Amino acid sequence: DTGVSQNPRHKITKRGQNVTFRCDPISEHNRLYWYRQTLGQGPEFLTYFQNEAQLEKSRLLSDRFSAERPKGSFSTLEIQRTEQGDSAMYLCASSRTVQETQYFGPGTRLLVL
Amino acid sequence: QKEVEQDPGPLSVPEGAIVSLNCTYSNSAFQYFMWYRQYSRKGPELLMYTYSSGNKEDGRFTAQVDKSSKYISLFIRDSQPSDSATYLCAMKDSWGKFQFGAGTQVVVTP
Repeated sequence: DTGVSQNPRHKITKRGQNVTFRCDPISEHNRLYWYRQTLGQGPEFLTYFQNEAQLEKSRLLSDRFSAERPKGSFSTLEIQRTEQGDSAMYLCASSRTVQETQYFGPGTRLLVL
Repeated sequence: QKEVEQDPGPLSVPEGAIVSLNCTYSNSAFQYFMWYRQYSRKGPELLMYTYSSGNKEDGRFTAQVDKSSKYISLFIRDSQPSDSATYLCAMKDSWGKFQFGAGTQVVVTP
């Protein structure tokens, strides 16, 4: 068990470009969460998966954002036509069940120029 | 009004002192309570996880939950400079939805 991993750790992109982030949860963790965190704020919920099913999406998740977890293991978060306001830390977390707490990955820091 | 309120600090204490952190919440559906520590530019690290009112102790850390007052606390005894970080409270309802506080920055000075 190596914990939650995220790739890349850092991403710099130009406004208008598409970016994709990957999250590998702890093995056998059925729930996977995506959060966004900006400076001085706590993580803000974006979406979560129970196995491969996306069960909830925050209103923060505009049409430019899409997340997948095709085989119920790793997940990807794609942002299309990035804007400067998308600059943030994107965190992934996983938990085994709804009762258990979640464990975070190291995050992907995105900077949109 | 935010569902979870947490003073952003910074909270500065001398080494060896007790650090006292707290959060208030408004949603009575929250049943599970957590404290995370986050170092700069890193992901949050779970410190404490509780689901009942009362105290829970783990080493130098004590988590306190008062559901009737909708108030939770974290105490760090014998604080060290390595405890300098941002501490996030988090809460979860029975459906698994999490809500985080904004985090309190703690600085422990040698």
